Amino acid sequence: GDSVTQTEGLVTLTEGLPVKLNCTYQTAYSDVAFFWYVQHLNEAPKLLLRSSTDNKRTEHQGFHATLHKSSSSFHLQKSSVQLSDSALYFCALSPGGNNKLTFGQGTVLSVIP
Amino acid sequence: GALVYQYPRRTICKSGTSMRMECQAVGFQATSVAWYRQSPQKTFELIALSTVNSAIKYEQNFTQEKFPISHPNLSFSSMTVLNAYLEDRGLYLCGASHRVGNTLYFGEGSRLIVV
Repeated sequence: GDSVTQTEGLVTLTEGLPVKLNCTYQTAYSDVAFFWYVQHLNEAPKLLLRSSTDNKRTEHQGFHATLHKSSSSFHLQKSSVQLSDSALYFCALSPGGNNKLTFGQGTVLSVIP
Repeated sequence: GALVYQYPRRTICKSGTSMRMECQAVGFQATSVAWYRQSPQKTFELIALSTVNSAIKYEQNFTQEKFPISHPNLSFSSMTVLNAYLEDRGLYLCGASHRVGNTLYFGEGSRLIVV
């Protein structure tokens, strides 16, 4: 079956530094959409980014990600993190034109002053 | 914009009783609704996927007998957790989209606490 792997459980950074949250995946489908969701404390996950195009950079709210099918990756990056970026980040994929999202385990981003 | 409302936000129920949660889509037609459970460990489990005018598809380990779902129109869906026990605790999320394959927009979730 499909799987999404987020290798870091917790990333702690000082405000202003760059961040990269890793996401790799396995799927047998060729037509797949990829997502990053952000979940703040006691809130529901909110869509941050979506992409289904290989090698195309997608940006939103200062975050960006590029789908690389050659390496099965969809890493999330930001050049300068802010305190308000502290949250739980989930990478997910939805294959074959359906709405069955497969989520990674999530990465907690903790930004400190 | 697309908004999804879920209620109640939080329910405390006694072991063996049931909890019904509702999901309302505003600003778009929720053709497809996915119900997820986020465990206390924050992992997601897909319970079922519902598309209007199609049969509801339950994932392995989830059944209609335990989690009956209703999706009567393009703006509303409900799910009940019957005979809730400790292992049913978690945040139940409704994700709705206009078309199959489109982005899922999540509601705020209905948290089930079983005592």
